[in-house]
Amino acid sequence: GEEVAQTPKHLVRGEGQKAKLYCAPIKGHSYVFWYQQVLKNEFKFLISFQNENVFDETGMPKERFSAKCLPNSPCSLEIQATKLEDSAVYFCASSQSPDNYGYTFGSGTRLTVV
Amino acid sequence: QKEVEQNSGPLSVPEGAIASLNCTYSDRGSQSFFWYRQYSGKSPELIMFIYSNGDKEDGRFTAQLNKASQYVSLLIRDSQPSDSATYLCAVSLLRRDDKIIFGKGTRLHILP
Repeated sequence: GEEVAQTPKHLVRGEGQKAKLYCAPIKGHSYVFWYQQVLKNEFKFLISFQNENVFDETGMPKERFSAKCLPNSPCSLEIQATKLEDSAVYFCASSQSPDNYGYTFGSGTRLTVV
Repeated sequence: QKEVEQNSGPLSVPEGAIASLNCTYSDRGSQSFFWYRQYSGKSPELIMFIYSNGDKEDGRFTAQLNKASQYVSLLIRDSQPSDSATYLCAVSLLRRDDKIIFGKGTRLHILP
C-alpha cells in the first residue's frame, strides 16, 4: 500500500504488562524506523531495520524492548513489563532511501501505561 | 550539546506574512536535512528536504542550508492559518541511510 499502517491506534496497559505494536511499511520500502514521541514533541529514535535485518538499535532500551521485521509480516515492537514512562506515541516510518527521500510516517500508536 | 536545536516558540506570524523557522545542528558531517510539519495529534509530514548549500524552493516553501554555519531554515511565504502546526527540523548523520535526528520542533501560529 501507499501508507505506513500502524496498529493499534490506541493501547492501554497496566504497569508490568506487555505491549505489542505493529507496523506495515509501504510496499517497496526496505527501511523501517521506530521512534518514540513523548511530551513536548521530543522524538527519540529506537531502532531501524533494512529489510529483516537490524540496521541500528542504539536507541533501544534492550532490557524491555524488542523489535522484529520478518518477511511477509508486519514489523513489531514489543515492550515487556511496561513502565509508566513508556507512555508515549510510537511512530513507525518507512523509506526506500532515507538519505534521499526522508521518511513516510505511520499515524502512530498511542500507548498509555496506567 | 543537543544534536538538532530549534526554538520551541510559539512563533506568531500574521496571515500573509513570511514565517521564518530556524534550526542549528551539531554534527558537521551531517548530509541530509529535512523539514517536517506535524499537526496536533497527527503524524509528521515531510514538506522539504535539502542536501546542498543554498536555497531550495517548492511552492510557498523555501529551505535554506548553510553548512559552514551548520544552520538550516524554512521560509513560508504568504502564511495561511492552515500553516499553523509544529515544524520539525531533522538531520541525517554521516552514515548512509542512518537514522534521522529530530529537533524538538517550533510551534507556528498564523494569526488570521
